[in-house]
Amino acid sequence: NAGVTQTPKFRVLKTGQSMTLLCAQDMNHEYMYWYRQDPGMGLRLIHYSVGEGTTAKGEVPDGYNVSRLKKQNFLLGLESAAPSQTSVYFCASRAIGQDSNQPQHFGDGTRLSIL
Amino acid sequence: AQSVTQLGSHVSVSEGALVLLRCNYSSSVPPYLFWYVQYPNQGLQLLLKYTSAATLVKGINGFEAEFKKSETSFHLTKPSAHMSDAAEYFCAVSDRAGGYNKLIFGAGTRLAVHP
Repeated sequence: NAGVTQTPKFRVLKTGQSMTLLCAQDMNHEYMYWYRQDPGMGLRLIHYSVGEGTTAKGEVPDGYNVSRLKKQNFLLGLESAAPSQTSVYFCASRAIGQDSNQPQHFGDGTRLSIL
Repeated sequence: AQSVTQLGSHVSVSEGALVLLRCNYSSSVPPYLFWYVQYPNQGLQLLLKYTSAATLVKGINGFEAEFKKSETSFHLTKPSAHMSDAAEYFCAVSDRAGGYNKLIFGAGTRLAVHP
């Protein structure tokens, strides 16, 4: 099983450029999430989605946009990249289930550097 | 608001020694708690989760955690450290205010294991 797949794995951008990070999951999960990980700060939620066609803001949404046109995909966009967005980005997905403490499943991350 | 505090950003132990990683949470109601592990250049993997069925939770790779309501703690332990346990560990709590759809992560504890 592939689980959660993120593309690309690495990317270097110049300030002001735009790009889209793709997350795909094959577990038929309803919920999907985008996080950024910075040293000493754990993971911070950027945006999330509780179902196809829905998105919601997380803790640090500024400078990012997302779309969930298909249940299995969750796209994270940077319209005008800034050096402060240099980070490692993780996508995760989660089943609804009857149990509210269903765990999130994570991809391997995208390492993004903004010069 | 709920929060998670991991005491000690770096912990170093000798191979074969006890591993103790500390996590304290703030919540006015019984929380859903998780421990995740992150190996270098990988995503997060679930170690264990607190389900309220038992206060002592056993996870993968010989790890376990004990939920102590009176101390608002969910510390992670392993009786005997292996070199392969070297990684970063994250404690997380489900965000009750968000309908348990989101996780709030601690800042992480990096575990080093020395021969």
